[in-house]
Amino acid sequence: DAKTTQPPSMDCAEGRAANLPCNHSTISGNEYVYWYRQIHSQGPQYIIHGLKNNETNEMASLIITEDRKSSTLILPHATLRDTAVYYCIVRVAEYGNKLVFGAGTILRVKS
Amino acid sequence: DAMVIQNPRYQVTQFGKPVTLSCSQTLNHNVMYWYQQKSSQAPKLLFHYYDKDFNNEADTPDNFQSRRPNTSFCFLDIRSPGLGDAAMYLCATSRGSGGNTDTQYFGPGTRLTVL
Repeated sequence: DAKTTQPPSMDCAEGRAANLPCNHSTISGNEYVYWYRQIHSQGPQYIIHGLKNNETNEMASLIITEDRKSSTLILPHATLRDTAVYYCIVRVAEYGNKLVFGAGTILRVKS
Repeated sequence: DAMVIQNPRYQVTQFGKPVTLSCSQTLNHNVMYWYQQKSSQAPKLLFHYYDKDFNNEADTPDNFQSRRPNTSFCFLDIRSPGLGDAAMYLCATSRGSGGNTDTQYFGPGTRLTVL
């Protein structure tokens, strides 16, 4: 069973920041938070991951609460091409550990 | 660019006719995974290889087999496809060194239709 809870859908205006929440209240100390997204009919795309510190890369920022029970993925300036299903996944970062995908959040970016 | 490649992107087969899907990678990663994603569902792991070591998920049907002849290539064989096997099949790779670096990278997928 997925260990995360995400809202089923969200809308965001083009050019605005998209903030996607994720609850993972049962996360273990050695589990990382990963974010992937899947644009329609394509393979999942890795976005970002983190353990306890906030992380930023060229795609997004990941904010993890101090108790690690929730996190937020931030797309700073959403575009229409960011419309996708966004998956928040917790896993131990060891080889062979599968990604257990939940239902994810459908993000619709609108002009 | 280094990447995960899946061929073909679309595959049509007949009920009961064996079919093979292909995945190749230029990332030189140790681990290769096969996921199945049925319509409107999330991807689900079928099995993975670490180098030549095969690791099957407990609930993967025997109808699904895999081969990894070398580091770069991995095949998914469906021995007798049923209508319920119609899905997107996703190949992913990871370095396999463990720790913070074992991110999985996915190919574009092969959409299988069973007639």
